[in-house]
Amino acid sequence: EPEVTQTPSHQVTQMGQEVILRCVPISNHLYFYWYRQILGQKVEFLVSFYNNEISEKSEIFDDQFSVERPDGSNFTLKIRSTKLEDSAMYFCASTTREGGTEAFFGQGTRLTVV
Amino acid sequence: GIQVEQSPPDLILQEGANSTLRCNFSDSVNNLQWFHQNPWGQLINLFYIPSGTKQNGRLSATTVATERYSLLYISSSQTTDSGVYFCAVLIKAAGNKLTFGGGTRVLVKP
Repeated sequence: EPEVTQTPSHQVTQMGQEVILRCVPISNHLYFYWYRQILGQKVEFLVSFYNNEISEKSEIFDDQFSVERPDGSNFTLKIRSTKLEDSAMYFCASTTREGGTEAFFGQGTRLTVV
Repeated sequence: GIQVEQSPPDLILQEGANSTLRCNFSDSVNNLQWFHQNPWGQLINLFYIPSGTKQNGRLSATTVATERYSLLYISSSQTTDSGVYFCAVLIKAAGNKLTFGGGTRVLVKP
């Protein structure tokens, strides 16, 4: 069964460092998403991406964040200068089309900023 | 904004017991999904169920879209069912994104 894969599963980084979280969405999917879950809290939407551009972003997704689809398979989330409060589980998801279809989630990357 | 409320917030079950988790939402939905978050933090898709009833083994779900709620049934619970169960909805008028509820934390005791 096709799945969304994320790497790494866990990343520890020093405050102020840049991190790149990677995702390989399901191959025939067209819409890509990042969500974040701070420990003990609910899962929150960060950004959606379609046709090589951001289609929607939340207020959390400030200038420190960026997304990219550098090739035909990878989808990345970059945090330019990490802060302690960026420590969270980050989930990538993909769908075949906009709205109303099942979203498939990756297993998550646990980011710890020290 | 969209409200997604899950109840109960916590549930302790004896192995073998049945339970019902509820998800109430504030608007008509285009998508509703149930997830199980395991102890490693992974989100496991359980059901895509914007309306109707589905069953998968010991789990089943029902969404009554007109009354804005969904139920997740766990029958003959096992210790591996422990974790947090999330309901998430997508409402097109509010954008192409899932809004998650606060989750129900389930602990199944042997």
